[in-house]
Amino acid sequence: AQSVTQPDARVTVSEGASLQLRCKYSYFGTPYLFWYVQYPRQGLQLLLKYYPGDPVVQGVNGFEAEFSKSNSSFHLRKASVHWSDWAVYFCAVKGTGSKLSFGKGAKLTVSP
Amino acid sequence: NAGVIQTPRHKVTGKGQEATLWCEPISGHSAVFWYRQTIVQGLEFLTYFRNQAPIDDSGMPKERFSAQMPNQSHSTLKIQSTQPQDSAVYLCASSLGGNTGQLYFGEGSKLTVL
Repeated sequence: AQSVTQPDARVTVSEGASLQLRCKYSYFGTPYLFWYVQYPRQGLQLLLKYYPGDPVVQGVNGFEAEFSKSNSSFHLRKASVHWSDWAVYFCAVKGTGSKLSFGKGAKLTVSP
Repeated sequence: NAGVIQTPRHKVTGKGQEATLWCEPISGHSAVFWYRQTIVQGLEFLTYFRNQAPIDDSGMPKERFSAQMPNQSHSTLKIQSTQPQDSAVYLCASSLGGNTGQLYFGEGSKLTVL
């Protein structure tokens, strides 16, 4: 079975500050990993994806994530947060099947 | 290009009534997924179709829930005898091949069961 844990349900950062959202996955094998973002009153959108290869992947709007097999992690980072990043961020894992298993999400609040 | 279209956006039903939710995937996408989103459980996988055939329904409650994809342009999720615990946002997503993990989500159908 595959699963994802996002330990921080709510995160507040100041605009311009750096951001890290944590994600730990459970899967026996090499997974495909994803970060999706849900802006207010919108559907989920893909932010970035990891397929086996370079452990650091770049996404849209300055986001990046780093895969670590030894830590079973796929943390999301951004160097400088903008107010428009206010959203809920979901980490997801895909194993050999087609379905994605999502974490419960991390709600990001950006303070002025 | 239109994205994934879900209707209705909001539906209120009384306990015991039936609810049908519709999804129109992106044209050319061969895979359709249904998820349920609640505050407590987060995003739960329900079912998945590829080329209109049901592939994985492991997340579907065994009673009262059913999903169909009668043609490539729409899928339905039907909930019979709705219960208050069925209240959730039901999300439909489509994907080009089904195995990439890159899903395109609709805005969801919010079901409220009174």
